[in-house]
Formats: sequence, structure tokens, C-alpha cells
Amino acid sequence: DVKVTQSSRYLVKRTGEKVFLECVQDMDHENMFWYRQDPGLGLRLIYFSYDVKMKEKGDIPEGYSVSREKKERFSLILESASTNQTSMYLCASSPSLGQPSHNEQFFGPGTRLTVL
Amino acid sequence: QQQVKQSPQSLIVQKGGIPIINCAYENTAFDYFPWYQQFPGKGPALLIAIRPDVSEKKEGRFTISFNKSAKQFSLHIMDSQPGDSATYFCAASKPGSARQLTFGSGTQLTVLP
Repeated sequence: DVKVTQSSRYLVKRTGEKVFLECVQDMDHENMFWYRQDPGLGLRLIYFSYDVKMKEKGDIPEGYSVSREKKERFSLILESASTNQTSMYLCASSPSLGQPSHNEQFFGPGTRLTVL
Repeated sequence: QQQVKQSPQSLIVQKGGIPIINCAYENTAFDYFPWYQQFPGKGPALLIAIRPDVSEKKEGRFTISFNKSAKQFSLHIMDSQPGDSATYFCAASKPGSARQLTFGSGTQLTVLP
């Protein structure tokens, strides 16, 4: 089974803090994604990565950055957390084109971040 | 703007009922339409998916109906059970190596015993 793990289930930070959210997948997937989930808005893509050290902006990248130094790990960074970044953050991974299940994204359980 | 519009936001049915969740899209470049199911405290998981070259796909009690000309697709859950209570998201993606997904806003389904 594909397993995507996220470093924390719950996180509370203060405005202006630098926040790191970590995601690790164990299925050797090339693609990794960060979403935020808000009621009534569904899941919105923040950033994704299709290879080590490669990244692309999603629909709402402002205020976020990412890092992918190893294939299995994808980090989301909030450089200076703000209250409007309070949300559920979901990480996902998927195999590359041509691999079985390449259309499917496998999600972690999420990190609920509260910024005070 | 939301490229995939989903309705209703919430839905309550009795056990055995057939809840229907609808989605509409604008971008004709989308060529893959999955539905994801999310239980409380869990990440979404792929439930069923369809490509626009077919009008219907069934997997167990779950059916996707697809209307390419109307740019609409829907999820039907036959003989719904309390265990189907979850949040359902439709999504769409375009061709590409990373297959980015554009999600709808979600439908919270409650199936009463």
C-alpha cells in the first residue's frame, strides 16, 4: 500500500513564525503535491513537484514555498505565517506517466495548522 | 474562479436512498474526471474515475454519469449506507506528466440509518 505521511496532525503557530510542513511517501513516486483544504472551497493546489529539486506553482502559491531535496520528501514552507493561512494542509503523491495508477493521487492524513 | 463547480454543498439521505452529486466544468482540455471520498480525519482517496469517451462507469454501488456536450458529470450512490457518509470531491485534470487535479468544492453526504 502507498503510504504518505505528514509530520504533524495538528500545529499551532504564531503570526510571523516560519513554519515547515513535512511530507514523506514510500512508493518511489515522482510527483508530489501540496494542497490546502478549506470549507466550501475544496482542495486548492499550492505547489507541486515532478522531480527532485523541480517545482511548479499551483493555483495559490502566494505566501508559500517548497523544497524537494530527496525524491521521497516534499516540504511546504510558510516564510511568515499569517492568520489567513490557518487551514488543513494535505500532501499527495502520484507515479509518473506510464506507471500503473499514474492518474491517481495518494493523500496523507493532513496537518491542521492554526496561526494565532 | 472555480473551474469545477460542485453541488450540492451538503446532502442528507435515508439508508437505501440514491444520493446524486453534480459537477460542471468549463475547460474542454480536461480529459480525466475522478471522484475522491474523504472520511473525517483522513485524506481523500480515489473512489472512481471516468474519461470523456464513455458516458457511464459503474464500480459496485458507485456510478459516474458523464455528459460531454453539457460539460457535466455526476456521482450516483446506489443503495446508500451509513458507512458512505463522507465528503465527496469531484475533480478534473488535463494531460500532463504530473496530472494536476482541479477539485470541486466538496459535498458532505450524510446517510441516516
